[in-house]
Amino acid sequence: KAGVTQTPRYLIKTRGQQVTLSCSPISGHRSVSWYQQTPGQGLQFLFEYFSETQRNKGNFPGRFSGRQFSNSRSEMNVSTLELGDSALYLCASSPIWLSTDTQYFGPGTRLTVL
Amino acid sequence: DAKTTQPNSMESNEEEPVHLPCNHSTISGTDYIHWYRQLPSQGPEYVIHGLTSNVNNRMASLAIAEDRKSSTLILHRATLRDAAVYYCIRHTIDSGNTPLVFGKGTRLSVIA
Repeated sequence: KAGVTQTPRYLIKTRGQQVTLSCSPISGHRSVSWYQQTPGQGLQFLFEYFSETQRNKGNFPGRFSGRQFSNSRSEMNVSTLELGDSALYLCASSPIWLSTDTQYFGPGTRLTVL
Repeated sequence: DAKTTQPNSMESNEEEPVHLPCNHSTISGTDYIHWYRQLPSQGPEYVIHGLTSNVNNRMASLAIAEDRKSSTLILHRATLRDAAVYYCIRHTIDSGNTPLVFGKGTRLSVIA
């Protein structure tokens, strides 16, 4: 089975712009979660989607949003980028339930905001 | 709040066993203990998880204390490829479907 794929792998944007990141989960997985990883804050949960519905949301401002499509692929969007949004954005998929299933992480998208 | 305590870093010689400790003194009866690791330039990778009894898989063993206030991840023979940050995570099984909360983890260095 192919693993979780994320595109693009690297991205450079400037302050004020917006960005869309994409995640394709493992085939058959219906739950997709997004995390932000920075040296200072570590790995922080952004949100989780299951069957096109957001089930869980972390403590991030409304500039961070996401969606999931009927094929379980997910996108996250960050509007009005700030310097502090520079981070590694990780996507993880699991078969059904976030609580009990193993999560499989992608390689991440490294976003640099100048 | 990660609710687990791990040493910041540890060092091991190649081909020696490694015991990575984790303290979770406020654990509740419905909390599983999960371990993930993150190799350089990669996303986290599942290692093992357990509830009460010790668990083994091809990657590692998980020893959970009888009172469940602590646990130890055991790598039986460390290789250079095991150099990574290891995260011990308490994860509640409840109807609310909560996400994983990662702490700072333990950075394991393996010396050839």
